[in-house]
Amino acid sequence: AQTVTQSQPEMSVQEAETVTLSCTYDTSESNYYLFWYKQPPSRQMILVIRQEAYKQQNATENRFSVNFQKAAKSFSLKISDSQLGDTAMYFCAFMRAFTGNQFYFGTGTSLTVIP
Amino acid sequence: ETGVTQTPRHLVMGMTNKKSLKCEQHLGHNAMYWYKQSAKKPLELMFVYNFKEQTENNSVPSRFSPECPNSSHLFLHLHTLQPEDSALYLCASSPPGLGVEKLFFGSGTQLSVL
Repeated sequence: AQTVTQSQPEMSVQEAETVTLSCTYDTSESNYYLFWYKQPPSRQMILVIRQEAYKQQNATENRFSVNFQKAAKSFSLKISDSQLGDTAMYFCAFMRAFTGNQFYFGTGTSLTVIP
Repeated sequence: ETGVTQTPRHLVMGMTNKKSLKCEQHLGHNAMYWYKQSAKKPLELMFVYNFKEQTENNSVPSRFSPECPNSSHLFLHLHTLQPEDSALYLCASSPPGLGVEKLFFGSGTQLSVL
């Protein structure tokens, strides 16, 4: 079974600063996808960033980037120039490739951006 | 806005009530899901439907009954629930094909069982 661990239940960051959220996962698979989802107070989860395990290059989306360490099974999210709208729950998720629709989620990290 | 709509947004029900949650997407997605979100727990996958056929049922109690009449609509019928069933119930959908694997979520139904 796949497990996803987010060891930081809560974090805070000053506006305009940089913050890194941690995620580790456990799998014996070699082909898979990793995701970070954001859940703002509106409750609708939105995909922030996606990484294919076969790609060595770390994914980036504007102010969001990941540090993907496949050997260490680590997938951290870095948010640069934090904005008030970044305040949300962030969930790390894992999906095995070519196996349909089985996504595994962590317990989430609640991030607060302080003005 | 992800294109996945859930109703109602909030629901309070007694343990003897029967109610239904509704999810709708017109994104052309072929797979739809029900997840349960409880505080300090990972999202729990409850049911998966692919092309209207149920492909996953993760040992969910029979007091939760899903229905998928077509690829755009998904229901979760609730009856004789327990207080521990109080949670945020999220619907999601995903598109067909390889290389586009990701979930599109609704805003959820916050359920309180009294």
